[in-house]
This record gives sequence, structure tokens and C-alpha cells, in this order.
Amino acid sequence: KQEVTQIPAALSVPEGENLVLNCSFTDSAIYNLQWFRQDPGKGLTSLLLIQSSQREQTSGRLNASLDKSSGRSTLYIAASQPGDSATYLCAVSPMEYGNKLVFGAGTILRVKS
Amino acid sequence: DTGVSQDPRHKITKRGQNVTFRCDPISEHNRLYWYRQTLGQGPEFLTYFQNEAQLEKSRLLSDRFSAERPKGSFSTLEIQRTEQGDSAMYLCASSLSLGGGMNTEAFFGQGTRLTVV
Repeated sequence: KQEVTQIPAALSVPEGENLVLNCSFTDSAIYNLQWFRQDPGKGLTSLLLIQSSQREQTSGRLNASLDKSSGRSTLYIAASQPGDSATYLCAVSPMEYGNKLVFGAGTILRVKS
Repeated sequence: DTGVSQDPRHKITKRGQNVTFRCDPISEHNRLYWYRQTLGQGPEFLTYFQNEAQLEKSRLLSDRFSAERPKGSFSTLEIQRTEQGDSAMYLCASSLSLGGGMNTEAFFGQGTRLTVV
């Protein structure tokens, strides 16, 4: 059974700092990995999708990497801003259950101004 | 098309009542998913459709839950005889199947927050 773990559970940083969020998964047989942002009481906003054949994806100040063999992904946020404060969720699409996403519990990020 | 939309955004109901939620996916997406999220947790898969066919249901989906997607367009999720444990955020997502089990990026709606009192 695929399990996804995100570390740390919560993170508080001053504005302008670069930061890394970690995601690990137990089964490397995945189609893709997706990072999401969730604001309190809201739905999920897709940030980046990395297909299993890719190593990384970039969008603006965000960079996500994927090391499928070791079951790890990182989300790098450069020059953090207070508007980045949210919960960040990692999800994998397992090949065994390829038609759904398996989520981690998320990392709650607070960027202080 | 502005994305996945869900209605209502919030629902408060008394225990034992039935509730129904609606999801309108992105129009060209053939896959539609329902997830449930409780406080402090990531979303958990409930069920998914490819076009109008419901192809998978989680064990989380008890017999009080039913989902439909008539004509492969919008979907409804009904909960009968609601219980306090049903209180959660219900999220809908859609994506496009690329074949071989692979999908495009999944897009989520804003969710329906259910409170059972």
C-alpha cells in the first residue's frame, strides 16, 4: 500500500528565506507526483506536476524535484513571501492504483513579514 | 471554462438527514474524482468516474454514499442518513486520461464543507 509522508509538518520562516519541503513515498512505481497548495478552508491549487520520467519541474519561484528510485520529492521555494503562507500537499499517482492520488498530510508553511 | 466548480460551498445538516453535493468538472476532462478531507489530513480518495462509468470505489465509501455522473458531465455525491463522522470537506477533481493509466494534471474544486450537527 502506497504511503506518503511530508516533513516537516509545520514550518515558520522569515520573509525572503529560501526553503525546502520534503515528500517521501513508499512505492516507487508511480505515474507522476503532484504538488498542491491549499489555503485555509479552500480547495487545492495545483502547483507542479512531475511525470515519472522527469527529474524536475519549475514554475516561477517554485522548483520541484523527483527521485523516483529513492521515493523522494522536494519542493523548493525561493525568496519566500507572506503570500506563500499555506498548506503544501504532495500526492502521487501509484501505478497499482493509477486512477487516483495518494496524499501526504501536508506541510503548514508560515512566512513572517 | 473557469475550472472545477462545486456546489454548495457549505452545508450544515442535522444527523440523519440526506445531503447531495454537485461537481461540474473541466469540460474536456473525462475523469472525475471525489475525495474527502478531514482537519489536518490530506484528501482521501472516495471514488472516480471515467466518462459516465464509476470505475472504482474506496472502502471509505459506505453504502450510505452514492455517486453518479449521468452522461459523463457533472457528478453528484449523495450521503444518506448523515452521521457526525461524515463532517468533512468533500473535494471534487477532474483530469484527462492519457491512456495506459496515466492522467494529466488533476484540478480540484473549492470543495463542499459538510457539518453534521
